[in-house]
Amino acid sequence: QVQLVESGGGVVQPGRSLRLSCAASGFTFSIYAMHWVRQTPGKGLEWVALIRYDGMKKYYADSVKGRFTISRDNSKNTLYLEMNSLRAEDTAVYYCARGPAPTEIGPDYWGQGTLVTVSS
Amino acid sequence: QSALTQPPSASESPGQSVTISCTGTSSDVGGFDYVSWYQQHPGKAPKLVICEVNKRPSGVPDRFSGSKSGNTASLTVSGLQAEDEADYYCSSYAGRNNWVFGGGTKLTVL
Repeated sequence: QVQLVESGGGVVQPGRSLRLSCAASGFTFSIYAMHWVRQTPGKGLEWVALIRYDGMKKYYADSVKGRFTISRDNSKNTLYLEMNSLRAEDTAVYYCARGPAPTEIGPDYWGQGTLVTVSS
Repeated sequence: QSALTQPPSASESPGQSVTISCTGTSSDVGGFDYVSWYQQHPGKAPKLVICEVNKRPSGVPDRFSGSKSGNTASLTVSGLQAEDEADYYCSSYAGRNNWVFGGGTKLTVL
């Protein structure tokens, strides 16, 4: 069965960096696009980023463009999100999710999420 | 404020039907047949129950159905069961590799 397990969340000061990981299993990771989506109590779900199956194309929400970088290692079945210049408004539970083809469909399977708290 | 508008709450008795709306614009819901609905129980990950407006993934009961008219999509849950009590979120492709979500609807089975 499809499994996605996020890790790397925690408490970080504003302006600092954090890297999230997502370990995938139960499917052929290298042929699927992957998403990061975040959830805050006040603003609900927000799409963050997408990476194509081969890592050659990456897309970001305007709110994180220039600060966050999505990447993947298909040899390790792992997805990453490098988050720099973190702000209080980046505080959220971050989910990785699989992106079936065509990618316009959006995420299908989601992980359990990892909490990121940006606070001094 | 979320990009797609959903009612904050809905409620209905077991065995009855309930419909949750999701209103966007011609740039998202109205422009593409890529509307999804997710069910989320407290402390759990979202689960896909409808994709591409009206398609049910394998394993999702046929009590769940989706539709769209213009800029508004809808999720209908028929024959409500206690386990259907959850938060429901809509999502739509918004073009140029961007996706938008609704603010969520808390469904209560009375």
